[in-house]
Amino acid sequence: EVQLVETGGSLVQTGKSLKLTCATSGFTFSNAWMHWVRQSPEKQLEWVAQIKAKSNNYATYYAESVKGRFTISRDDSKSSLYLQMNSLKEEDTAIYYCTWSGRDWFAYWGQGTLVTVSS
Amino acid sequence: DIVLTQSPVLAVSLGQRATISCRASQSVSISSINLMHWYQQKPGQQPKLLIYRASNLASGIPARFSGSGSGTDFTLTIDPVQADDIAAYYCQQSRESPPTFGGGTKLELK
Repeated sequence: EVQLVETGGSLVQTGKSLKLTCATSGFTFSNAWMHWVRQSPEKQLEWVAQIKAKSNNYATYYAESVKGRFTISRDDSKSSLYLQMNSLKEEDTAIYYCTWSGRDWFAYWGQGTLVTVSS
Repeated sequence: DIVLTQSPVLAVSLGQRATISCRASQSVSISSINLMHWYQQKPGQQPKLLIYRASNLASGIPARFSGSGSGTDFTLTIDPVQADDIAAYYCQQSRESPPTFGGGTKLELK
C-alpha cells in the first residue's frame, strides 16, 4: 500500500524558515518523480515544486511564486521528500501535500501538513 | 499558465445525474491524448484521483463516475449521485508546465 506522510507544518512568523518532510512507503521511491502541492485557505490547489529521479539527475522545477525561496530535495536512502521554505510570506499559508505522480497525474497524496505564516 | 475554469457550486438531488464542467484557456490535448484529470476532495481529506487523461477511471473508483471531453472542454459525470459523492471536485491539466488546477466545484444536495 502506498503511503505518504507529511510532517513539519506549524505556525511561523513572516520571513522565517520551515522544513517539511514527507516519509513514503509502498513504492520504489528512488524511481519516483515527486511533487509538493499546496491548498490555500480558499481551497485553491497550487502546484509548488517537482523533483525527478536520480536517472534524471534529480532535476527540480518550481512555481514562480516560490522560486528562489523554496528548495525541494530528496533522500532516496530514507524514501523521504523534503521542502525547505525560506523567507515565508503570509500568502504561503496553506496545507502542503506530498504527491507522487507516476505519470502526468497526481495518483497518490499524503494527508497534508498545515503551514500558517503570520506576522 | 493554462487557466482552468469551473463553476463554484452545483446543486443536485440524490439519484440524479451530476455534470461538472471544466474549461481550459487553451487546448490541453496532444493528438488523441487529453491531458486533463479529475480529483475528489471530501472535507478534511486530501484530494483523491478519480479520472486520468479525461476518461480513464482510476483504480477503485465506482463506475458511476465517468469523464469526457477534448481540447478545451471537459466534463465529469456522476450518475447516479449518492450521498457519499457530496464533495469538491477539481480538474487539473498536465499539457503544459506548471500543472494547474481548476478552482473546484462543490457538489451540494438540492
